[in-house]
Amino acid sequence: GQNIDQPTEMTATEGAIVQINCTYQTSGFNGLFWYQQHAGEAPTFLSYNVLDGLEEKGRFSSFLSRSKGYSYLLLKELQMKDSASYLCAVRDSNYQLIWGAGTKLIIKP
Amino acid sequence: TAGITQAPTSQILAAGRSMTLRCTQDMRHNAMYWYRQDLGLGLRLIHYSNTAGTTGKGEVPDGYSVSRANTDDFPLTLASAVPSQTSVYFCASSDSPGQGHNEQFFGPGTRLTVL
Repeated sequence: GQNIDQPTEMTATEGAIVQINCTYQTSGFNGLFWYQQHAGEAPTFLSYNVLDGLEEKGRFSSFLSRSKGYSYLLLKELQMKDSASYLCAVRDSNYQLIWGAGTKLIIKP
Repeated sequence: TAGITQAPTSQILAAGRSMTLRCTQDMRHNAMYWYRQDLGLGLRLIHYSNTAGTTGKGEVPDGYSVSRANTDDFPLTLASAVPSQTSVYFCASSDSPGQGHNEQFFGPGTRLTVL
């Protein structure tokens, strides 16, 4: 079966750094996505990795290791507005997205 | 541009009734998707369409039907609603999924309660 695992909830302090992990087992791999979803809103695209390594985009970075079936999203200089759920999704051999349940990130002052 | 819109925003529906959730995009995307999102679960794909005139079944298609008469619209119909279909429904669209990273863009969602 296909499975995406990520922690249910994490807490971090404003101004700090947090790493959200995602492990996956899917039928095929055609890229990994991270989305942000604020409560009551739609998911919005954050990052995409298809090759091993780190992709950096401002305060957010995403890392991929295909051999380990592992990715992480790194958020630096946390702001209160970063309080949201972060969704990991893998595009499988049929080019459909398989989604994790999301990690709720709570930022404390 | 509006991007992708959904209607209604929310709805309470009696069990056994039928309902159509509407979705329209103005980005000329080939592919469109319907997901449901339930607490503690990831987004689950109900149906998808890779191009106008074609549709496919996702992970949880039972009790739902779709049509794709043109590029812009992708309605989702519940023929006879049941309480387990209470959920938040998201429509999404993207360029052809096999080309580049082509992220999916999401509509604002429809919150449906079936009583």
